[in-house]
Amino acid sequence: GEKVEQHESTLSVREGDSAVINCTYTDTASSYFPWYKQEAGKGLHFVIDIRSNVDRKQSQRLIVLLDKKAKRFSLHITATQPEDSAIYFCAADQGGRALIFGTGTTVSVSP
Amino acid sequence: GPKVLQIPSHQIIDMGQMVTLNCDPVSNHLYFYWYKQILGQQMEFLVNFYNGKVMEKSKLFKDQFSVERPDGSYFTLKIQPTALEDSAVYFCASSLGQGRGTEVFFGKGTRLTVV
Repeated sequence: GEKVEQHESTLSVREGDSAVINCTYTDTASSYFPWYKQEAGKGLHFVIDIRSNVDRKQSQRLIVLLDKKAKRFSLHITATQPEDSAIYFCAADQGGRALIFGTGTTVSVSP
Repeated sequence: GPKVLQIPSHQIIDMGQMVTLNCDPVSNHLYFYWYKQILGQQMEFLVNFYNGKVMEKSKLFKDQFSVERPDGSYFTLKIQPTALEDSAVYFCASSLGQGRGTEVFFGKGTRLTVV
């Protein structure tokens, strides 16, 4: 079945810098790649997604890139702020089936 | 925005007892999911449910687990009997469709502690 690897388990950045989280997937049929944010003790909050018909998507300070050939996608958080500190999960849809998640990246933004 | 509600937020149960976790999905959604999160990190898929049936389940969805949504009420995860390794946060999710980029909405989770 689909495996999603999230390469950075922790990421520490200074406020204003960019944070980049990289994920790879195995199922070539996957076509939908959402990102979720989880703040301490809370549930998952959708932040941004990308579909396989595009290779880049931006929403305010968030940019998602998708490289289908390499089966790799990444989340770029630009101009980071302290409230960006959280655990970020990437996911892939297994070719239209239930989402499979990466292992999570703990992002810490220091002032 | 659309909300998935989970009741209760915390549950402590003696090993061997039965527990039912309740989820109130987004009202017009048709697909329902349970995920298990261990140690605040790994989100593991358990099961998805559509039209009254389990569509897909993972290896983590043991025989002691069952799901149902009787008459459009709560979508429930029942564990009977519970084991210590069932301690985790369980997240319910729902979506209008599946695949083709349909957004999946998650609840805030139920923290289950088996003692």
